Amino acid sequence: SQQGEEDPQALSIQEGENATMNCSYKTSINNLQWYRQNSGRGLVHLILIRSNEREKHSGRLRVTLDTSKKSSSLLITASRAADTASYFCATANNAGNMLTFGGGTRLMVKP
Amino acid sequence: DAGITQSPRHKVTETGTPVTLRCHQTENHRYMYWYRQDPGHGLRLIHYSYGVKDTDKGEVSDGYSVSRSKTEDFLLTLESATSSQTSVYFCAISESSVSNQPQHFGDGTRLSIL
Repeated sequence: SQQGEEDPQALSIQEGENATMNCSYKTSINNLQWYRQNSGRGLVHLILIRSNEREKHSGRLRVTLDTSKKSSSLLITASRAADTASYFCATANNAGNMLTFGGGTRLMVKP
Repeated sequence: DAGITQSPRHKVTETGTPVTLRCHQTENHRYMYWYRQDPGHGLRLIHYSYGVKDTDKGEVSDGYSVSRSKTEDFLLTLESATSSQTSVYFCAISESSVSNQPQHFGDGTRLSIL
């Protein structure tokens, strides 16, 4: 069963707009990670946020984590056509030996 | 990009045949993982390894076995392939456990079982 569930499943925006994706999970976690997957390729790591952190930034990416609500969000600001991809959240269990992935959000950024 | 090579990249085979997928890394990372990716299920962990000859089961391990005789190679074997094992298989590596480090992925093997 999936630990993380992304919302929405698909998102279409124009270049320059912001894109927000949400992730909910069920059990306590060590950390939460976001990955990007371009069509036909493997996943690429974007950000890792630990359970004691609330917000983290990396370039145009901003991730928040609310452990009380068991949810996280990924914000991509000033989106570009090159941001078109699927985005996955993944939770690391407390034992730190496994990641459990959600079903992903498909983002399309139109030029 | 992390040095991860999966082989073969594509394979078509018949039900009941054995299949072995190979993951080779040049990063000397301790941890290696096998996932399968299916529509509607995201990625699901099959098996992982935390060192040479040290492996453990993941979420969907039935019908799969793994071996790791060298740091750089992690093999996934389907002893008798079934159509339900048609999927895209990804190998991933990490320097240490996922409590501290992200995973780096190969580009996948697309396996079709007829």
